[in-house]
Amino acid sequence: QKEVEQNSGPLSVPEGAIASLNCTYSDRGSQSFFWYRQYSGKSPELIMFIYSNGDKEDGRFTAQLNKASQYVSLLIRDSQPSDSATYLCAVMAYNNNDMRFGAGTRLTVKP
Amino acid sequence: EPEVTQTPSHQVTQMGQEVILRCVPISNHLYFYWYRQILGQKVEFLVSFYNNEISEKSEIFDDQFSVERPDGSNFTLKIRSTKLEDSAMYFCASRTVRELFFGEGSRLTVL
Repeated sequence: QKEVEQNSGPLSVPEGAIASLNCTYSDRGSQSFFWYRQYSGKSPELIMFIYSNGDKEDGRFTAQLNKASQYVSLLIRDSQPSDSATYLCAVMAYNNNDMRFGAGTRLTVKP
Repeated sequence: EPEVTQTPSHQVTQMGQEVILRCVPISNHLYFYWYRQILGQKVEFLVSFYNNEISEKSEIFDDQFSVERPDGSNFTLKIRSTKLEDSAMYFCASRTVRELFFGEGSRLTVL
């Protein structure tokens, strides 16, 4: 069974703070890792992806991957109220045909 | 900017009826997907499609479901004999190499 686990939250941070979102996965053969943002009633929107161990930065977002620990995280710096959403971790299998999502972490950024 | 388009945006049907949900993937994408999200729950993988055939399907995707690419642009999900529990948002997605892009979704309500 290919599992992707996230803390459901809610995670609440004050505006300007760093939000840290975590994800673990069970399929050791997973190759690609994605973070999506989903506003209520909307479709998932790709924020960023990471394939290699280490950190990847894109603007206020940093993804971190540790394949040995089967762990991926997303840091959001200088959090804004507009960042309030559910953040979905997604993992793509080795065959690149099957992307599975975690249940998502609901983030609230308070002004 | 190219996008995945889905129709209808909302469909209401009676239990036992058949529904067809339609998707037009991004034109140069080769891999197509259907996902389901029951209200308040996680995004669930249904099926992936490549080279005119199913490449992967989940345990949810049973004989009640089928997918088809009837022409060069459309990608459809057929749900036969709908049940109350089929009420959900259905998302179509497509990709080229790795990044998966979602349509806005079709909300299915089964009465």
